[in-house]
Amino acid sequence: GAVVSQHPSWVICKSGTSVKIECRSLDFQATTMFWYRQFPKQSLMLMATSNEGSKATYEQGVEKDKFLINHASLTLSTLTVTSAHPEDSSFYICSARLNPEDTQYFGPGTRLTVL
Amino acid sequence: TQLLEQSPQFLSIQEGENLTVYCNSSSVFSSLQWYRQEPGEGPVLLVTVVTGGEVKKLKRLTFQFGDARKDSSLHITAAQPGDTGLYLCAPTYNFNKFYFGSGTKLNVKP
Repeated sequence: GAVVSQHPSWVICKSGTSVKIECRSLDFQATTMFWYRQFPKQSLMLMATSNEGSKATYEQGVEKDKFLINHASLTLSTLTVTSAHPEDSSFYICSARLNPEDTQYFGPGTRLTVL
Repeated sequence: TQLLEQSPQFLSIQEGENLTVYCNSSSVFSSLQWYRQEPGEGPVLLVTVVTGGEVKKLKRLTFQFGDARKDSSLHITAAQPGDTGLYLCAPTYNFNKFYFGSGTKLNVKP
């Protein structure tokens, strides 16, 4: 299957700082990338849908000014958690696909811990 | 708004037993994926089902898509400790983004 990478795999930061997470599709061009958040012992919750060259579409309840998403190329999307707080600590996972009928391939996730 | 239910939420069984996980929606899926996730890792795709009534087998795993394309099941035969993990269904509506079910946490005891 297709390969999607995330960087970093884990990050610890102080409250109030911003953290950037990268999602890359390594062997295909991803027209659309998705960002999910997963709290311990819970399922994945879709945060936003990112189409290359367009503004991201955020799910209800997700603050777009807090979670900045950029999808500047067909192989890279970034999620920036601005002014992070301890409640933002979570497992962030991205996925990517080429066409709407294609399967989504998931990255390995990024563990964010905000102190 | 689509309602999606996955059951059971937790399952702890002995090695060798069979089990079934269910995924039900209030709306028709255009397709449905089943994923397995281990702690600290991203979900790994197991199968995609598209056609109503479709049955797919992956070794000891059997996936079924309901005729009305509003439900799906995953059956594991003779479960092994290596099957332990979080199983997630993810239907797609109108080939758009998809949402995950609540997940079934499976623990297979040796």
